[in-house]
Amino acid sequence: AQSVTQLGSHVSVSEGALVLLRCNYSSSVPPYLFWYVQYPNQGLQLLLKYTSAATLVKGINDFEAEFKKSETSFHLTKPSAHMSDAAEYFCAVSDQVGGGSNYKLTFGKGTLLTVNP
Amino acid sequence: DAGVIQSPRHEVTEMGQEVTLRCKPISGHDYLFWYRQTMMRGLELLIYFNNNVPIDDSGMPEDRFSAKMPNASFSTLKIQPSEPRDSAVYFCASSRGTGPNQPQHFGDGTRLSIL
Repeated sequence: AQSVTQLGSHVSVSEGALVLLRCNYSSSVPPYLFWYVQYPNQGLQLLLKYTSAATLVKGINDFEAEFKKSETSFHLTKPSAHMSDAAEYFCAVSDQVGGGSNYKLTFGKGTLLTVNP
Repeated sequence: DAGVIQSPRHEVTEMGQEVTLRCKPISGHDYLFWYRQTMMRGLELLIYFNNNVPIDDSGMPEDRFSAKMPNASFSTLKIQPSEPRDSAVYFCASSRGTGPNQPQHFGDGTRLSIL
């Protein structure tokens, strides 16, 4: 089974600073990777996804992530943090179920991003 | 398009009572997922359906939990009898297609408190 590990359960940055949230995956096949964001009292929203078309993936709100096979990483970055980016971020990998055509997402534990004024 | 709709948003009940959580997926989506989120265990997949048929229920904690999908636009997750340790936020999500790169769309969740 595939898995993801998010390094750092809590990241704190100043407004305007670089945001870097780390995700490493474990996969025996080319992975499909996702980043989701969860704002307080809401469900998860898709930020971006990697599907092997391009290693640098751009998402909503100026977030982007780079797939690095050599490092088995899919870190999420944003050049300049905004107060509204404060939320919990989840990395996920698509995992095949039962050898058939069904897939499910396996999520990391999440990273809580705090943005200080 | 309307997103995934869950009801109720909040539920507080006493242990031993039956709890029913409801979900309406996005129209045209043929996969539906139920998740549970807690501080200790994070986001756990409980069960998912494809075309109304349960595909994988290995995440359902025990027999007290059951899920149904009688048609393409409605699913329920029941807990009977409920216990305090079932307190969590329960999310429903849906997606279109069977590909591994199909994103799931989440509802806003049901916050369940069992006293």
